[in-house]
Amino acid sequence: DAKTTQPPSMDCAEGRAANLPCNHSTISGNEYVYWYRQIHSQGPQYIIHGLKNNETNEMASLIITEDRKSSTLILPHATLRDTAVYYCIVPKGGGADGLTFGKGTHLIIQP
Amino acid sequence: SAVISQKPSRDICQRGTSLTIQCQVDSQVTMMFWYRQQPGQSLTLIATANQGSEATYESGFVIDKFPISRPNLTFSTLTVSNLSPEDSSIYLCSVEDTTGVRETQYFGPGTRLLVL
Repeated sequence: DAKTTQPPSMDCAEGRAANLPCNHSTISGNEYVYWYRQIHSQGPQYIIHGLKNNETNEMASLIITEDRKSSTLILPHATLRDTAVYYCIVPKGGGADGLTFGKGTHLIIQP
Repeated sequence: SAVISQKPSRDICQRGTSLTIQCQVDSQVTMMFWYRQQPGQSLTLIATANQGSEATYESGFVIDKFPISRPNLTFSTLTVSNLSPEDSSIYLCSVEDTTGVRETQYFGPGTRLLVL
């Protein structure tokens, strides 16, 4: 899997947008960027993925830079329940192979 | 999305014994994965289990320590053998999504193991 770099922790006020960055400078042309999150005491949860276009679903938006070397996950209106560890993953075999989890970003939503 | 259950949800075991963890999926899936999450750490892939073939183990994990069964398309077990306190972790299974979202995975709730 391509190496990803994320800040270890971030704070965000409840109701504000949470912007989580990820660097993946070694990504190759056909590799997707996936985001998962793990709420305390639960299994990881898929959030969103993208190749080169920006993506949006009911959970979040994913902004990928034009050179594809970095991306930002946006939670538009963060709630306390969004407190979790967020993982940015670029699986070499697509998402169908086992995933390599880095340390992720611990996002803490403050009331 | 697939619904995954694991049994037991938690257990406390004595060193030298073994624990078998079950993973049940509500739909048929080809690929199932087993992960370990040590205290305060991220997830590490143990092995990939395809129905009808031997599991494929990642570097650092061996079949004698972590035997896996995959008898059908909805079920798998992971056994952690000859337990030591270092095996105290959360063990999670996951499955590939087959319903449309490209190559994503769904995870079970995990099994918390404490070895005394």
